[in-house]
Amino acid sequence: DADVTQTPRNRITKTGKRIMLECSQTKGHDRMYWYRQDPGLGLRLIYYSFDVKDINKGEISDGYSVSRQAQAKFSLSLESAIPNQTALYFCATSSRANYGYTFGSGTRLTVV
Amino acid sequence: GESVGLHLPTLSVQEGDNSIINCAYSNSASDYFIWYKQESGKGPQFIIDIRSNMDKRQGQRVTVLLNKTVKHLSLQIAATQPGDSAVYFCAENRGAGNKLTFGGGTRVLVKP
Repeated sequence: DADVTQTPRNRITKTGKRIMLECSQTKGHDRMYWYRQDPGLGLRLIYYSFDVKDINKGEISDGYSVSRQAQAKFSLSLESAIPNQTALYFCATSSRANYGYTFGSGTRLTVV
Repeated sequence: GESVGLHLPTLSVQEGDNSIINCAYSNSASDYFIWYKQESGKGPQFIIDIRSNMDKRQGQRVTVLLNKTVKHLSLQIAATQPGDSAVYFCAENRGAGNKLTFGGGTRVLVKP
C-alpha cells in the first residue's frame, strides 16, 4: 500500500458543485500539505497543517477549505468548484525530523 | 499521462551523458533545498537534499551543488539513463517551519 493515498485519482465535476479530495497517510507524520499543480507553474501551496489542531493557509487558499480529521487524514474541499480550479492536486506529508516531503499520486480534477 | 508542464524548459540529453539541471532561488534566508523527480502519472519523488551550510552533496549518480552567493542550485545526474526522463523540480524551505516553495520544473528527455 502507498504511504500517502489520495482519493479519487480522477474526478470530473460541474461548476458550482461541492467536491472533497481526501488524503490519508501511514507514515506517522504530523505535517500534511495540499498543493496544486498547473502546467508550467510548478506546485503551489493551498493549505498546510503541522498537527491536528493547526491549520494554515498557503499562497492560494481562496476557494478552498481543509479539514484535519486525524493525524493521518487531511481533506481538501472546493465549496463551489469553478473551471480555473481544474488542476492536479497533491497531498504531501513530512515530519519534524525530516523536511523532505512524501507525496501522494495526485488527483486530477476537471471542472466543466 | 497528465500534462505536467506543457511549457517547461526542456533538457535533451544523450543516454550515457551527464545531465545538469539548474535552479535559481530568490530567498537568501532559505535554509534547506530539495530536488524532486516527477514521472508521468506520479507524484514528485525525493531525489536528494542539501542544507544551506553545505556546498555539495552526493547521492547515487546524483550530485547537488549549492552556490549561496548567487542563489543557485544545480542537480547533476551522471550517466543519464532512459529511466531518468521526467520533470525535475527544485524546492526551498524559506525559513521558520517546514513549507517548501517549488520552482517551475525542467523536463529531461533522454535520447537513446
